[in-house]
Amino acid sequence: DVKVTQSSRYLVKRTGEKVFLECVQDMDHENMFWYRQDPGLGLRLIYFSYDVKMKEKGDIPEGYSVSREKKERFSLILESASTNQTSMYLCASRPSGIGGEQYFGPGTRLTVT
Amino acid sequence: QKEVEQDPGPLSVPEGAIVSLNCTYSNSAFQYFMWYRQYSRKGPELLMYTYSSGNKEDGRFTAQVDKSSKYISLFIRDSQPSDSATYLCAMSRGSNYQLIWGAGTKLIIKP
Repeated sequence: DVKVTQSSRYLVKRTGEKVFLECVQDMDHENMFWYRQDPGLGLRLIYFSYDVKMKEKGDIPEGYSVSREKKERFSLILESASTNQTSMYLCASRPSGIGGEQYFGPGTRLTVT
Repeated sequence: QKEVEQDPGPLSVPEGAIVSLNCTYSNSAFQYFMWYRQYSRKGPELLMYTYSSGNKEDGRFTAQVDKSSKYISLFIRDSQPSDSATYLCAMSRGSNYQLIWGAGTKLIIKP
C-alpha cells in the first residue's frame, strides 16, 4: 500500500514564525502536491512537484514556498505565518502515467495565533 | 462560477437508504472522474475512479458519468453508519493535468 506521512498532525504557531511542514512518500512517486483544505472551499492546490528540485505554483502559492531535494520528500514552508494560513494542510503523491488518482497523507491541522 | 460544483450538505439519511451524491462541472475537456472519501481528521482516500462516460460498480458503490450533461454521481446502496464521511469529487483533463476538486458533501448515516 502507498503510504504518505506528514510530520505533524497538529501544529500551533505564532504570527510571523517560519513554519516547516514535511511530507514523505514510500512508493517512488514522481509527483507530489501540497493542498490546503478549508470548509466550503474544498481542496486548493498550493504547489506541486513533478520531479526532484522541480516545483510549480498551484492556485494559491502566495505566502508559501516548497522544497524537494529528494524524490520521497516534499516540504512546505510558510515564510512568515499569518492567521489566514490557519488551515488543514494535505500532502499527496501520484505516479506518472495515465489517470490522476492521488494518495493523501493524514493532514496537518495548523493554527496560527 | 466554479469549474466543479458540489453541494456541501450535510446530507442526513437513515441506515439502509440509497444515497445519491452529485457534482456538476463546466469544462467539457474533463475525462477522468474520481470520488474520494474523507473521514473526520483524516486525508481523502480514493473510492471510485472512472474514465470518460458510463458506470462503474464496486460493491455497494456505483459511479456514473454523464458527459453530455456534465454531471457525475456516486450511489451508495444499503448505506451504513460507517459510510458517514465527506465525499469529494475530483476530475481532470488527463494525466498531466491537475485535479479540480468539488467542495465535498458531508454525509451522515443515522443508525
